[in-house]
Amino acid sequence: GAVVSQHPSWVICKSGTSVKIECRSLDFQATTMFWYRQFPKQSLMLMATSNEGSKATYEQGVEKDKFLINHASLTLSTLTVTSAHPEDSSFYICSATSGRLGNYGYTFGSGTRLTVV
Amino acid sequence: GESVGLHLPTLSVQEGDNSIINCAYSNSASDYFIWYKQESGKGPQFIIDIRSNMDKRQGQRVTVLLNKTVKHLSLQIAATQPGDSAVYFCAENNQAGTALIFGKGTTLSVSS
Repeated sequence: GAVVSQHPSWVICKSGTSVKIECRSLDFQATTMFWYRQFPKQSLMLMATSNEGSKATYEQGVEKDKFLINHASLTLSTLTVTSAHPEDSSFYICSATSGRLGNYGYTFGSGTRLTVV
Repeated sequence: GESVGLHLPTLSVQEGDNSIINCAYSNSASDYFIWYKQESGKGPQFIIDIRSNMDKRQGQRVTVLLNKTVKHLSLQIAATQPGDSAVYFCAENNQAGTALIFGKGTTLSVSS
């Protein structure tokens, strides 16, 4: 079945530094990738949708200059948290699909636990 | 705005019982719904999905029911096992049909 690999699984960084999270589709071409954020005991909140080769579409309230998304190939999307602060500490999850939502599989990565100290 | 919610935050059952997890959604235009299971520290795991042209779909030990009239979705788990303990989310496609929006989640606890 479709597999999405997310790396790293956890990261600790100092306040003010930037962190990059990778999301790879291992056995399919992901035309669309999604980034979610999940705070403890809360649901997944969609941050942005990215299509290969084009700019990401950010949800309302998500700072595009702080959360940089790059989807340069059909198998890789990256999320960079710039100038991270403790309030950015969260569980970040990516997902990917090879086609129109509902017609194709929609696979999730295993998540990245970001802790900003 | 778009939102998907759940009626109960926690559900405790005995092993072997049937579990029913409910979800209310707000986007009447949604045509695709999925139930996910999430264990602690992991990403969501697909359980079952259903399209709006159906009102019931069955999988292995799981059944999803969709009532579009009242915008209600439920997940039924038969013969619940301790391994079913997790947080369950319903999700629907957003108004553009381009992404999934998640509900708040129900924590299922199964005791043996």
